[in-house]
Amino acid sequence: EVQLVQSGAEVKKPGESLKISCKASGYSFSDYWVAWVRQLPGKGLEWMGIIYPGDSDIKYSPSFQGLITISGDRSINTAYLQWRSLKASDTAMYYCARAGLGASFDVWGQGTVVTVSS
Amino acid sequence: IVLTQSPDTLSLSPGERATLSCRASQSVSVRYLAWYQQKPGQAPRLLISATSNRATGTPDRFSGSGSETDFTLTISRLEPEDFAIYYCQQYGGSWSFGQGTKVDIK
Repeated sequence: EVQLVQSGAEVKKPGESLKISCKASGYSFSDYWVAWVRQLPGKGLEWMGIIYPGDSDIKYSPSFQGLITISGDRSINTAYLQWRSLKASDTAMYYCARAGLGASFDVWGQGTVVTVSS
Repeated sequence: IVLTQSPDTLSLSPGERATLSCRASQSVSVRYLAWYQQKPGQAPRLLISATSNRATGTPDRFSGSGSETDFTLTISRLEPEDFAIYYCQQYGGSWSFGQGTKVDIK
């Protein structure tokens, strides 16, 4: 079964760092782009950035460039999303998703809730 | 590319037809326009890719059409499980989503 399994919920303080993960299984991790998508509470979907694990090519949305770092580890079929210094406004649900045919997102992780509060 | 969906909310009864619009700020290839469904507490689910290709498991009451800057998702007869939020998404060098249309029960 093709699936993406994300790491668990996080509660952090402003200024702290964080790295969340997305582990792929059931397909060749190197051959598909994996994206990160933010969903603020009660709001819509925002594309944050994407990685091609095959050659570690990474593209960021201009809205998130410089604020986040996307990375991957092909040896363990895992993509990562990290922040150096969290803000309260980073409180959201974060999804990873595989880009399949036509650059649509055909497989989604279950989501990771990140709460940033003092 | 900015995607604008309309209406923001569509209030309909089961059995009715739903027509959701997605307008792009510039032309989008039909190969790169998709639709997703999201229910409360769940991750989004791909419904339609490449404008009109139903994803595995998408019922045939869902259909997509359009070209260039105007795209449409049609649900021919609403079933109770179809009341949800729908997003369009495009790829034109980078990715973006529309703001969503909520289909709720009238």
